[in-house]
Amino acid sequence: RKEVEQDPGPFNVPEGATVAFNCTYSNSASQSFFWYRQDCRKEPKLLMSVYSSGNEDGRFTAQLNRASQYISLLIRDSKLSDSATYLCVNNQGGKLIFGQGTELSVKP
Amino acid sequence: DAGITQSPRHKVTETGTPVTLRCHQTENHRYMYWYRQDPGHGLRLIHYSYGVKDTDKGEVSDGYSVSRSKTEDFLLTLESATSSQTSVYFCAISVPSGRAVDEQFFGPGTRLTVL
Repeated sequence: RKEVEQDPGPFNVPEGATVAFNCTYSNSASQSFFWYRQDCRKEPKLLMSVYSSGNEDGRFTAQLNRASQYISLLIRDSKLSDSATYLCVNNQGGKLIFGQGTELSVKP
Repeated sequence: DAGITQSPRHKVTETGTPVTLRCHQTENHRYMYWYRQDPGHGLRLIHYSYGVKDTDKGEVSDGYSVSRSKTEDFLLTLESATSSQTSVYFCAISVPSGRAVDEQFFGPGTRLTVL
């Protein structure tokens, strides 16, 4: 079992839609997580950190469910510019463990 | 902009040749990392550094060495490149976030092709 697993997608949604990504992790002792966004042929860019209490930043909401060992990312009111690959990341003492990413395509 | 540059940005080389990739940061952060990204595997940690001359192995360190003689530079060397090392290489730095966990920011990447 991979340490961090994501549905690779692609998720094809219309503009304005709400889309949710889930990610599961195997290390029950893991404490911290991130969501990164990666555009085609570009570097990953930090989207948001995920904390136990949840984290909201504008249209983006991240949640952590320790009991079920999953992290979620919710994007409301999708924009064309949200099209990218979203990477779920487990931080293990400074060493980042990446999921393979979920591809999102927002269509007009 | 996290102040990270990588050089070269693109390189094509032949099997068996040595290759050195450079990562440079402008902000004197202590921790630096090298990752590779391949289809089907996501990003994987190769080596990291926690200070000048202080380095350690990551998940996929075989065939790679690193050096850090100055805070701002972290070098990744492929002693004898193989086709399996064709990949995109990303450097990252760890930046204090003001919360419990530091955040990592990535350089623009180096696309390496080994023929």
